Amino acid sequence: KQEVTQIPAALSVPEGENLVLNCSFTDSAIYNLQWFRQDPGKGLTSLLLIQSSQREQTSGRLNASLDKSSGRSTLYIAASQPGDSATYLCAAESNDYKLSFGAGTTVTVRA
Amino acid sequence: DVKVTQSSRYLVKRTGEKVFLECVQDMDHENMFWYRQDPGLGLRLIYFSYDVKMKEKGDIPEGYSVSREKKERFSLILESASTNQTSMYLCASSLSGKGNQPQHFGDGTRLSIL
Repeated sequence: KQEVTQIPAALSVPEGENLVLNCSFTDSAIYNLQWFRQDPGKGLTSLLLIQSSQREQTSGRLNASLDKSSGRSTLYIAASQPGDSATYLCAAESNDYKLSFGAGTTVTVRA
Repeated sequence: DVKVTQSSRYLVKRTGEKVFLECVQDMDHENMFWYRQDPGLGLRLIYFSYDVKMKEKGDIPEGYSVSREKKERFSLILESASTNQTSMYLCASSLSGKGNQPQHFGDGTRLSIL
């Protein structure tokens, strides 16, 4: 059974600092690794999807890397802003469309 | 943009009631999913469907059933609600095609069973 872990559970940084969020998974036989953002009381918003054959994906200030062999993905957010404050979740997709989620990292960006 | 709409944001029901949670997506997605999200436990998959009238159990199907009569609509049913089913319920959908299709989520239904 796929186990997904996110460390740290919470992170507080001053505005302008770069953010590094870590995600690890136990089974390297994944189809993709997805990163989501969740605001309090809301659903999840898809940020980036990295296919198993890819090493990274970029969207604006966001960059996500994937190392299947070591079971790790990292989300980088450059020049953080207070609007980046949210919970970030990673999820690994297995071969039957199922996503296994980590518990999330709650980010606070201080103005 | 993909729109996944859950019929209620907040719902309060009583123990033993039959509860229906509705989800509709407007992008002709084949796959639809129901999750529950609890503090400390994260998101857990209850059921999913990869086609009309098809359903597959997720990790925690006990006490729940689902219905998918039309492609755009996926309903979660609590047969006899219990207090341990108080939770945030999230619906999601995605296109078929392995390896490159993100899941799109609704805003969730916060369900309280009294």
